Amino acid sequence: KNEVEQSPQNLTAQEGEFITINCSYSVGISALHWLQQHPGGGIVSLFMLSSGKKKHGRLIATINIQEKHSSLHITASHPRDSAVYICAVSQGGKLIFGQGTELSVKP
Amino acid sequence: EPEVTQTPSHQVTQMGQEVILRCVPISNHLYFYWYRQILGQKVEFLVSFYNNEISEKSEIFDDQFSVERPDGSNFTLKIRSTKLEDSAMYFCASSPGTSSYNEQFFGPGTRLTVL
Repeated sequence: KNEVEQSPQNLTAQEGEFITINCSYSVGISALHWLQQHPGGGIVSLFMLSSGKKKHGRLIATINIQEKHSSLHITASHPRDSAVYICAVSQGGKLIFGQGTELSVKP
Repeated sequence: EPEVTQTPSHQVTQMGQEVILRCVPISNHLYFYWYRQILGQKVEFLVSFYNNEISEKSEIFDDQFSVERPDGSNFTLKIRSTKLEDSAMYFCASSPGTSSYNEQFFGPGTRLTVL
């Protein structure tokens, strides 16, 4: 069983749509990370959170520690948001990754 | 803005050869990591390094692998006697600390192809 599960695995949206990506985890964590991986392979950190909610521009991340669940929301999606979004959890120093959600936003 | 750099961006090698992947972490960071991503799979932790020694390693990080910080700036991953299944993207990351409030900053990756 994967320690970090994301859904959906693939998502296609029209420009302007509100997008939600979900992450569930089954291990004890010190923090949860949302990362973005571009087609070239580079990984960029979007959020790190251990409780509540964080917002950065059109991106919002929430976490429910009791339910071991987090969501990443994208408002007013744009084709440039197309990428793989990865949920990862911190255990000690290392990160344990989910399998990623491939998002494609069509104009 | 400071960033993690990795060289080379792509390495092609023959099975059985040794490769060294290089990383320059962000200068004031103290913790360093190697991760790998086999094509089509999720990113996997290999090893973490602090104060010139390994702090944690995964089952993947067997005797074939070693890490070193040969000077004040470079952090290297050596793979001895490469196998076909070592073909992957290898990411270096660095962090100012390991508390839950410390982000990890990733390099652009080195794509290793073993023929």
